[in-house]
Amino acid sequence: DIQMTQFPSTLSASVGDRVTFTCRASQFISTWLAWYQQKPGKAPKLLIYKASSLESGVPSRFSGSGTGTEFTLTISSLQPDDIATYYCQQYDSFLLTFGGGTKVEIK
Amino acid sequence: EVRLVESGGGLVRPGGSLRLSCAASGFNINTYSMSWFRQAPGKGLEWVSSITTGSSYTYYTDSVKGRFTISRDNAKNSLYLHLNSLRAEDTAVFYCARGSGGGTTTCFRLWGQGTSVTVSS
Repeated sequence: DIQMTQFPSTLSASVGDRVTFTCRASQFISTWLAWYQQKPGKAPKLLIYKASSLESGVPSRFSGSGTGTEFTLTISSLQPDDIATYYCQQYDSFLLTFGGGTKVEIK
Repeated sequence: EVRLVESGGGLVRPGGSLRLSCAASGFNINTYSMSWFRQAPGKGLEWVSSITTGSSYTYYTDSVKGRFTISRDNAKNSLYLHLNSLRAEDTAVFYCARGSGGGTTTCFRLWGQGTSVTVSS
């Protein structure tokens, strides 16, 4: 199985800050990577697909980059509504796997 | 409205069984792969199982192989997950989700609200 590692596990930042978190795949996955936002008690919401494509309706402050094994999700200006846990998911293999998540808190 | 609604969760004893259902509305599932995911309390997301459009192929994470069975009824626009030989570590919220097309190597734009399964004596 492809292992996905996210870091940091928790990130504390101020409103307006630029924040970046990382997802690393244990093997080459091209750009078959998605990012999700999940708020407590809610289902995940797709933010980014194919590593860098912004899902329709998602604010433009979210962006994704990377290819191969190293990927990043950036929030250009953190907003209070962005408080959530963010997960990456690879879909290069039919054995789908997620990273452990990065929890974003407001400082 | 396009939506997925899960049902069938509950409290079950170790070794017991449950059948989870996922009812789709606002679209036809017959052109989409469908999948189940779970999230244990306080833990991350875990993919459980996927099924192709015509049920030709099914896939499972190792920890549920031989115990869980995914199925679909395109005529009823529904997805199912049969859970057998349940263990305490299966306690989780289970989500169904729609793939982006017919293949199972996909990301997921549409999710249900989840149904909770608790395995405890």
